Amino acid sequence: GAVVSQHPSWVICKSGTSVKIECRSLDFQATTMFWYRQFPKQSLMLMATSNEGSKATYEQGVEKDKFLINHASLTLSTLTVTSAHPEDSSFYICSARDRGEARYEQYFGPGTRLTVT
Amino acid sequence: KNQVEQSPQSLIILEGKNCTLQCNYTVSPFSNLRWYKQDTGRGPVSLTIMTFSENTKSNGRYTATLDADTKQSSLHITASQLSDSASYICVVSAVGEYGNKLVFGAGTILRVKS
Repeated sequence: GAVVSQHPSWVICKSGTSVKIECRSLDFQATTMFWYRQFPKQSLMLMATSNEGSKATYEQGVEKDKFLINHASLTLSTLTVTSAHPEDSSFYICSARDRGEARYEQYFGPGTRLTVT
Repeated sequence: KNQVEQSPQSLIILEGKNCTLQCNYTVSPFSNLRWYKQDTGRGPVSLTIMTFSENTKSNGRYTATLDADTKQSSLHITASQLSDSASYICVVSAVGEYGNKLVFGAGTILRVKS
């Protein structure tokens, strides 16, 4: 089956610093990748949709200048949390849509736990 | 408004017992419905996916049903195991102009104890 990886799996950073999270589709090409945030005991919340070669589309309430998304290739998207604050501490999950499959399939990565101290 | 509601919120069962999780949705236009298992600290893993014309699908000890008329789905777990302890998320896909959009339920937290 299709595999999506994320790196790092967890990261601890100091308040005010920036953190980059990578999302890779390992065995398929993904024209579209999605970034989600999940707080404890809550479900996934879509932050943005990332299309290869174009600007990301952000959901309402998500600051695009704070959460920078780059989708430079068909297998890699990155999420950079800029000037992180403790309230940004969360579980960040990406998913990828296989360009070769029906439009409805998405594959999720294992997630990245971000802790801002 | 597109919504997915799951019940119960949490559930504790004994190992070996069966259980059924419920999902009601108001998502339009409907594309498909999927159930995911999410272990603590991990990403969701797909269990089943059903389109409008399918009313049941099995994956090992997991059996999902779909009633598109009443907009209800259930996930039945047979002979539960300790490793089934996880959050089970119902996700409905809505047809969108630029691709389908997923609407997530809040999940049911299942704990299987010995």
